[in-house]
Amino acid sequence: NAGVTQTPKFQVLKTGQSMTLQCAQDMNHEYMSWYRQDPGMGLRLIHYSVGAGITDQGEVPNGYNVSRSTTEDFPLRLLSAAPSQTSVYFCASSQVTTRNNEKLFFGSGTQLSVL
Amino acid sequence: DAKTTQPNSMESNEEEPVHLPCNHSTISGTDYIHWYRQLPSQGPEYVIHGLTSNVNNRMASLAIAEDRKSSTLILHRATLRDAAVYYCILKESGGGADGLTFGKGTHLIIQP
Repeated sequence: NAGVTQTPKFQVLKTGQSMTLQCAQDMNHEYMSWYRQDPGMGLRLIHYSVGAGITDQGEVPNGYNVSRSTTEDFPLRLLSAAPSQTSVYFCASSQVTTRNNEKLFFGSGTQLSVL
Repeated sequence: DAKTTQPNSMESNEEEPVHLPCNHSTISGTDYIHWYRQLPSQGPEYVIHGLTSNVNNRMASLAIAEDRKSSTLILHRATLRDAAVYYCILKESGGGADGLTFGKGTHLIIQP
């Protein structure tokens, strides 16, 4: 079972470069989300989606774009990378959003360094 | 989501039970209590959740105080693989699409 798959695992960018972090899930989950985790900190929500064609902002959305054209994929785009975006990025999904007893499934993360 | 308070770190010995506390004095009547853990260099993984009654699964047990202002995650027989950061999270009624609010959690150290 693949679950939530993130690529790449590691990435180094120069300031101003753009890139897309990929996230795919094979569990037919409605809900997908992106978090970032800075050293010694908990996770902070960047963007989320409750279904194909629907996205919304989380706690720290600035500098990131998302789209959800299919149920399976939820890419995260950095249009112009900044050193402040150096972090570990996690994608997560769950079956539905309307119940508060739903559990999240996380990917293994992408470690991004912006020089 | 309502706030939770956890100790920054705890230490235990291998093959002994571990009790990880969480205070959530502002919990509302329909908030679920979720526990996740994050092993080194991995994404968080679900451990257990509950509402009012104590819960058991293959990974752990969750003991919820009668007034629901605190809860305890119990690992019955810790192994070295249980060394991780454990997060106690409240998820409010109605679900909401804004994800889970992760604090800094408790760093559990297991001594061999």
